[in-house]
Amino acid sequence: EAGVAQSPRYKIIEKRQSVAFWCNPISGHATLYWYQQILGQGPKLLIQFQNNGVVDDSQLPKDRFSAERLKGVDSTLKIQPAKLEDSAVYLCASTGLADIGTQYFGPGTRLLVL
Amino acid sequence: GQQVMQIPQYQHVQEGEDFTTYCNSSTTLSNIQWYKQRPGGHPVFLIQLVKSGEVKKQKRLTFQFGEAKKNSSLHITATQTTDVGTYFCGSNDMRFGAGTRLTVKP
Repeated sequence: EAGVAQSPRYKIIEKRQSVAFWCNPISGHATLYWYQQILGQGPKLLIQFQNNGVVDDSQLPKDRFSAERLKGVDSTLKIQPAKLEDSAVYLCASTGLADIGTQYFGPGTRLLVL
Repeated sequence: GQQVMQIPQYQHVQEGEDFTTYCNSSTTLSNIQWYKQRPGGHPVFLIQLVKSGEVKKQKRLTFQFGEAKKNSSLHITATQTTDVGTYFCGSNDMRFGAGTRLTVKP
């Protein structure tokens, strides 16, 4: 079974630029999460999707961050414009109905904003 | 959302010593999850606890969920160098603690 795929793995941009991350969850997993993990901290939930609907986006900075999962499969997370404090690893995770509570994480995208 | 606090922040042990990390919530949790993240890696699910007072074991790892379902612990017996990493607890609404970083001296 293929794991959660994310791209790109690394991204360096200048502040005020835009960036987008892509995630393809494990096949059949209805729930998809985006997390931000700043160095030395635990993952912080940004947004949770159930199929193509948003379940929780209370911690998503909506003035600059957006996410979509239009067809209920893969998802994109966008930052526009980026700030220095957005430098972090962006993790995508998915959960299936068969093992609710078990999150499978992707390798993450490491973002550096200069 | 729920606040999840985790202690200690760091723990350095000699190989063979035991290790424990604690997770505390300000509110009652419906479940709690534990993850391990190796340096440079991504979190890997270890276990989920659901029942009050639940104890689960995975080889040298013992997980406990408090009676009030507000705290949890992960205990590793006789640590090995392969146990190195950061251990996170996560609440049912996907709030994670800051993690306990474990280093093991051979």
